[in-house]
Amino acid sequence: GQQLNQSPQSMFIQEGEDVSMNCTSSSIFNTWLWYKQDPGEGPVLLIALYKAGELTSNGRLTAQFGITRKDSFLNISASIPSDVGIYFCAGQAAGNKLTFGGGTRVLVKP
Amino acid sequence: KAGVTQTPRYLIKTRGQQVTLSCSPISGHRSVSWYQQTPGQGLQFLFEYFSETQRNKGNFPGRFSGRQFSNSRSEMNVSTLELGDSALYLCASSETSGVGQFFGPGTRLTVL
Repeated sequence: GQQLNQSPQSMFIQEGEDVSMNCTSSSIFNTWLWYKQDPGEGPVLLIALYKAGELTSNGRLTAQFGITRKDSFLNISASIPSDVGIYFCAGQAAGNKLTFGGGTRVLVKP
Repeated sequence: KAGVTQTPRYLIKTRGQQVTLSCSPISGHRSVSWYQQTPGQGLQFLFEYFSETQRNKGNFPGRFSGRQFSNSRSEMNVSTLELGDSALYLCASSETSGVGQFFGPGTRLTVL
């Protein structure tokens, strides 16, 4: 079946740094979504991408739908402590079934 | 608009029991999807309901079932619970197919 490879699995950030994460797929998706999940809560939708090549921003977040429709990346600029959490990419093909990546855990550098 | 709500938030059951979880979608959303989240398997799609009909189904055994009511509220049922069913069960709603889905806070199910 479809699989999404999300990387990195975890990363440490220092306040003010830019961070990047990406997802690649073995199959084509029609929609790419990026979510953030805090402990004990459900995922919160950050950005939705609907067209190949689309570049969309939401505040300090920027995401792109890869031209091949098999990948997407998310950038966070000037990170702040509340950016800590787990970020998930999700691809949507036909219908409303989402296939999720394994998540990127963002932690603060000690 | 109120977000997606799920009840109960926490549940403890024993093996062999059955459980019913409830989800109320965002007002006006007709599609409700269910996902299971575990540390080992991540987020996995269970099924989707639209206008009271199951439209998509994931690769879960028949012990997992669901339904949707005319007001778009949905329930999922797990029968003959197993230890491995312990997970966070998430419900997501959307207006139609192909657009972003919005998740509820989840129901944390623990099977002892």
